[in-house]
Amino acid sequence: EVQLLESGGGLAQPGGSLRLSCAASGFSFNIYAMCWVRQVPGKGLEWVSGISYTAGNTYYADSVKGRFTVSRDNSKNTLYLQMDSLRAEDTAIYYCAKSPHTTIPVASDYWGQGTLVTVSS
Amino acid sequence: QSALTQPASVSGSPGQSITISCTGTSSDVGGYNYVSWYQQHPGKVPKLMILDVSRRPSGVSDRFSGSKSDNTASLTISGLQAEDEADYYCSSYARSGTVIFGGGTKLTVL
Repeated sequence: EVQLLESGGGLAQPGGSLRLSCAASGFSFNIYAMCWVRQVPGKGLEWVSGISYTAGNTYYADSVKGRFTVSRDNSKNTLYLQMDSLRAEDTAIYYCAKSPHTTIPVASDYWGQGTLVTVSS
Repeated sequence: QSALTQPASVSGSPGQSITISCTGTSSDVGGYNYVSWYQQHPGKVPKLMILDVSRRPSGVSDRFSGSKSDNTASLTISGLQAEDEADYYCSSYARSGTVIFGGGTKLTVL
């Protein structure tokens, strides 16, 4: 059974940092692209970032480019999202999601339960 | 990048068919065959219903189908059932490895 378990969410101050983790199990993590998608409670989905299966390629939405960094450790079956220079508008539930593709995460066939990030002073 | 355009709401009666549209540009929906559709029930995680414009993942009912014409993709649900009531989101590959979502459509089963 595919499982994705996010952690690391919480309260951060504007300008601060948080690091999200996503522990994957139940599939061959090292052959699939992965991504992060966020959702303000009660609002729509926003794609945040993606990474290829080898971590050789990373992708970012314009809204987070230069502030967020996605990475993965295939030896630990874990996906990460380093979030720096946080803004109030980054407040959302952050989902980790698996792609059925290897290179570009153009779709997400499994999702974690999400971790809430709140940016507030 | 602007979000893809979806109707805010659609409705239908049990047994009927409904279609949700998703309009983008030639730089996203019209330029690639990488449109996906997701179903999200309140308080739940999104579920992939269609990928690559018209491909159904294993386990998804064949009442769900996807298509695309020019810059507009569509999700059709036939034989509407009460459990289909949910929010539906489209997404498309855009450029340089990025993906954009639609604003979401609330489906009400009357």
